[in-house]
Amino acid sequence: QITLKESGPTLVKPTQTLTLTCNFSGFSLNTSGVGVGWIRQPPGKAPEWLALLYWDDDERQSPSLRSRLTITKDTSKNQVVLTMTNMDPVDTATYYCVRNRLQVADAFDFWGQGTMVTVSS
Amino acid sequence: IQMTQSPSSVSASVGDRVTITCRASLGIGSWLAWYQQKPGKAPKVLIYGASNLQSGVPLRFSGSGSGTDFTLTISSLQPEDSATYFCQQASSFPYTFGQGTKVEIK
Repeated sequence: QITLKESGPTLVKPTQTLTLTCNFSGFSLNTSGVGVGWIRQPPGKAPEWLALLYWDDDERQSPSLRSRLTITKDTSKNQVVLTMTNMDPVDTATYYCVRNRLQVADAFDFWGQGTMVTVSS
Repeated sequence: IQMTQSPSSVSASVGDRVTITCRASLGIGSWLAWYQQKPGKAPKVLIYGASNLQSGVPLRFSGSGSGTDFTLTISSLQPEDSATYFCQQASSFPYTFGQGTKVEIK
C-alpha cells in the first residue's frame, strides 16, 4: 500500500521559514522513474507545482520560487523535506506531498492528504 | 506553458455525457494528465498520457487529444462524479495545471 504523509507547522509568521516533511511508504525513491515532490493549492484555486526530486538525484523546482525553495531527501528514511524561506500571506495554502512516475507519463499518481499552512502574524 | 480549461463549470443530469476541454499554450505532445478533486480531498489522477486510464478509474472516463487540444469525457455522468476536474501538463518544467472545471449534478 502506497502512502505519503505531510507534517509540519500549521501556522507560520511572515518572513519565517517553513519546513515540511513528507514520510512515504510502499515504494522506494531508489526505483528508476520515481520522483517525490510538492504541490500546493491556495483555498479555492488550482494546484501549483513547487518541486520534485527524482530517483537519480535530478532536482526540479518552480522558477518563480527557486530562490526560496530547498528540497532534500533521505532515502534510507523514505523522507523528503521541503524548506521555503521568507514566507508571506500569499503562501497560505494546502501543501501536498506527491509521487511522480515516468511510467505514468510523469503524472502525480499518489498524493498525501495535504497539510494546511496559514501565514499570518 | 499555460493551460486553459473550458467551461469553468458545468451542470448536467445523471446519465448525461459531459465533455471538458483543456488547451495548452504550446504543444505538449501527449504529456497531459487529468485529475478529479472532491471538497477537502487531494486530487486523484484519472488519465495520464492524454488517453491512458489510471488503474481503478471507471471506464466512463476517457481522455483524448495531443499537441495543444485535449478532452476529458464522462460518458454517463454519475452522482459521485460531482467534483472539480483539473488538467496538468508534464511536457516541460514548470509543470502547470488548468484553472479547473466544476461539475455539478442537476
